[in-house]
Amino acid sequence: QITLKESGPTLVKPTQTLTLTCAFSGFSLSTREEGVGWIRQPPGKALEWLAVIYWDDDKRYRPSLESRLTVTKDTSKHQVILTITDMDPVDTATYYCAHAQTTFNFDRWGQGTLVTVSS
Amino acid sequence: SYVLTQPPAVSVAPGQPARITCGGKNIASKSVYWYQQKPGQAPILVIHYDVNRPSGIPERFSGSNSGTTATLTISRVEAGDEADYYCQVWDTDSEQVVFGGGTKLTVL
Repeated sequence: QITLKESGPTLVKPTQTLTLTCAFSGFSLSTREEGVGWIRQPPGKALEWLAVIYWDDDKRYRPSLESRLTVTKDTSKHQVILTITDMDPVDTATYYCAHAQTTFNFDRWGQGTLVTVSS
Repeated sequence: SYVLTQPPAVSVAPGQPARITCGGKNIASKSVYWYQQKPGQAPILVIHYDVNRPSGIPERFSGSNSGTTATLTISRVEAGDEADYYCQVWDTDSEQVVFGGGTKLTVL
């Protein structure tokens, strides 16, 4: 059974860097065709894809945010880490990690974590 | 970049079919995925590869994809189907995941 859970700060100040961790179980990122994606959702708004990382360290980023995003994996710890630099109040959102298939869709999601950007 | 267009809202009476559309340029050439999101919950994948239901998804849910429109159909809507529904594709040209704006399904 695949499960994922996001963790990180609930409040960050503008210009700070956000670091989120996705801890997962039920699969391994050392196994072919496995991946983890990050998606966010501002309050009351639509889903917005941010990034995905695969077992072979293939990484894809949302083009409009690519300069601010970094995704890495720690295979031994079963974790994926997303960092977002230069946070702004418009980055306030619930951040989800999800199990990604190689066709860039997400069949299991974490519960999400709300991050507020405010001074 | 690629845009997916969904109606903001769809309303349907219990027991009636609900159809939620997702429009995009030549969307038939892409695989479309549909997610259901109930208030305060994470999304759930309900249709993948245009027409397939993941295990555990009721047979009432089906998908189609032709021309410039993909459609999620719920054959006999129940109160528990009330949720936001999102379509999603992978755009090979811009190399990014694209979500539609979401459709709020209301069961009357």
